[in-house]
Amino acid sequence: GAGVSQTPSNKVTEKGKYVELRCDPISGHTALYWYRQSLGQGPEFLIYFQGTGAADDSGLPNDRFFAVRPEGSVSTLKIQRTERGDSAVYLCASSPSRYFSYNEQFFGPGTRLTVL
Amino acid sequence: GIQVEQSPPDLILQEGANSTLRCNFSDSVNNLQWFHQNPWGQLINLFYIPSGTKQNGRLSATTVATERYSLLYISSSQTTDSGVYFCAVTQTGANNLFFGTGTRLTVIP
Repeated sequence: GAGVSQTPSNKVTEKGKYVELRCDPISGHTALYWYRQSLGQGPEFLIYFQGTGAADDSGLPNDRFFAVRPEGSVSTLKIQRTERGDSAVYLCASSPSRYFSYNEQFFGPGTRLTVL
Repeated sequence: GIQVEQSPPDLILQEGANSTLRCNFSDSVNNLQWFHQNPWGQLINLFYIPSGTKQNGRLSATTVATERYSLLYISSSQTTDSGVYFCAVTQTGANNLFFGTGTRLTVIP
């Protein structure tokens, strides 16, 4: 595909439920990032993958949040026991290179999560 | 973490006017990007500019890394330029982007 894709575009769930959000990066991009954007704020970093491994998960708010990228392409962000405070737009980005010298990030359209 | 400040927070322009948006950051960076977030929430890449000057049509950007700031220039603004403009940086040695709080631009006809 031409860009980063994310599914679903919208997700409404009830407090306490489990959700999975999917990201399909630009083909060939080795780096993948998850961010979360609350209303009126800039996106905030959650986790970064280089290939299949999570190279930096320091932005995950607590152990209810987990992400995987088993084959180094598609990634899934998993949220257990959702809380109303988890409501936000979850953004995925990918980058073509592992090198610091060039790591421009390209973002998907996001998944809007609403926890009732 | 690194601090990223954008100014002004809000800007209202008449169509055809020019504007300058500023981004200040508190530490050395190896990546700086400008984005336009459209009303549907999509982040559109404008510039990848850790240093130097670039131009793309009516938009141009300059980053002075040694003085820790970047400027985005919009000339002959159009109503379609409306939205939120974000500056985001990657601190040297890191990989993730830190975003500023954005500048909300409204262009009126």
